[in-house]
Amino acid sequence: AQSVTQLGSHVSVSEGALVLLRCNYSSSVPPYLFWYVQYPNQGLQLLLKYTSAATLVKGINGFEAEFKKSETSFHLTKPSAHMSDAAEFFCAVSDVGATNKLIFGTGTLLAVQP
Amino acid sequence: NAGVMQNPRHLVRRRGQEARLRCSPMKGHSHVYWYRQLPEEGLKFMVYLQKENIIDESGMPKERFSAEFPKEGPSILRIQQVVRGDSAAYFCASSPIQGPQETQYFGPGTRLLVL
Repeated sequence: AQSVTQLGSHVSVSEGALVLLRCNYSSSVPPYLFWYVQYPNQGLQLLLKYTSAATLVKGINGFEAEFKKSETSFHLTKPSAHMSDAAEFFCAVSDVGATNKLIFGTGTLLAVQP
Repeated sequence: NAGVMQNPRHLVRRRGQEARLRCSPMKGHSHVYWYRQLPEEGLKFMVYLQKENIIDESGMPKERFSAEFPKEGPSILRIQQVVRGDSAAYFCASSPIQGPQETQYFGPGTRLLVL
């Protein structure tokens, strides 16, 4: 069975500092991985996705993630945090069975301090 | 191109009442997924539908919950005889075709509160 694990339910950074949100996956087949962001009382918005085309994936709002098979990781980074980045971030893997449902991690709440 | 629409955005029900949650997928999307987000948890898959067909309902409780996606009109998630444990945010997502690499586009969610 496929799964993702997000280490750190809460991460706090200072404005301008590096953002690093961790995601590790478990999959018996090459995975398709996603990062979504959820702002308060809103739905999920896709940040980026890995579909095996390139290991370094660039997304919206300056975020990027690197797929590392040897580490079974897909960590999300941004060089310089903005106040507007404060949100909850979810890593997900696509179930490669018949339905391709998304299997989500438990989320990481990012706080950005001024 | 309008995004995924869900209504109502907020719904309050008393225990034992019925809740009906509606989802209109993006134009041209015939694949709909429903997820539930319990307080301080990630999203959990409930059901996957294509037009007029339930493809996978393995994440949906066997009792009181049902879903449909008729030929015309929105997808409906129906919860009968709600209990306090049903309080959650329910999200609908749609995609134009099926595939593990396909993006699912999410609606704003319906936040259900059961008193």
